[in-house]
Amino acid sequence: EPEVTQTPSHQVTQMGQEVILRCVPISNHLYFYWYRQILGQKVEFLVSFYNNEISEKSEIFDDQFSVERPDGSNFTLKIRSTKLEDSAMYFCASGGQGRNTGELFFGEGSRLTVL
Amino acid sequence: GDSVTQMEGPVTLSEEAFLTINCTYTATGYPSLFWYVQYPGEGLQLLLKATKADDKGSNKGFEATYRKETTSFHLEKGSVQVSDSAVYFCALLSGGYQKVTFGTGTKLQVIP
Repeated sequence: EPEVTQTPSHQVTQMGQEVILRCVPISNHLYFYWYRQILGQKVEFLVSFYNNEISEKSEIFDDQFSVERPDGSNFTLKIRSTKLEDSAMYFCASGGQGRNTGELFFGEGSRLTVL
Repeated sequence: GDSVTQMEGPVTLSEEAFLTINCTYTATGYPSLFWYVQYPGEGLQLLLKATKADDKGSNKGFEATYRKETTSFHLEKGSVQVSDSAVYFCALLSGGYQKVTFGTGTKLQVIP
């Protein structure tokens, strides 16, 4: 069964460092997302990506964040200069082979710890 | 903007008890509604969905009915098992948008 894979599963970094989280979405999906979940709290939308561009983003997704789909398979989230409050579990999701039905397939997450 | 409100958890039930987790929403237009489940240490998985008013989504013994008049999508199961212990998220997708908005999640613990 196709699945969304994320790497790394856990990253520890120093405040101010750049972090890149990687995702391989399901191959025939057209919509890609990043969400984050601060420990035990709500799942927060960061950004959606469709047709090689950002389609929506939240207030959390400021200039420190960027996304790329560099080679048609990987979908990356970059945090340019991490802050303590960026510590969270980051989930990648993909969905939609045509029209977006809202049925998302999530990866198992990348836990980011900023010290 | 769109929002989803879920009942506060955690919810603790004995095995074979009846489960209800309340969910109400605010959205423009006619959203599609979802329940996602997150088992410990895992990502979210789609549990069930409903795309229009009066639709009933069902899966693994769980059900939820899309009630437009009360803007609700309550999750129910007649007899819970220990393996149902997880966090349950109500979510919506508004027509014309791509963002899926999640509620805060409700943790369910089922004890033998």
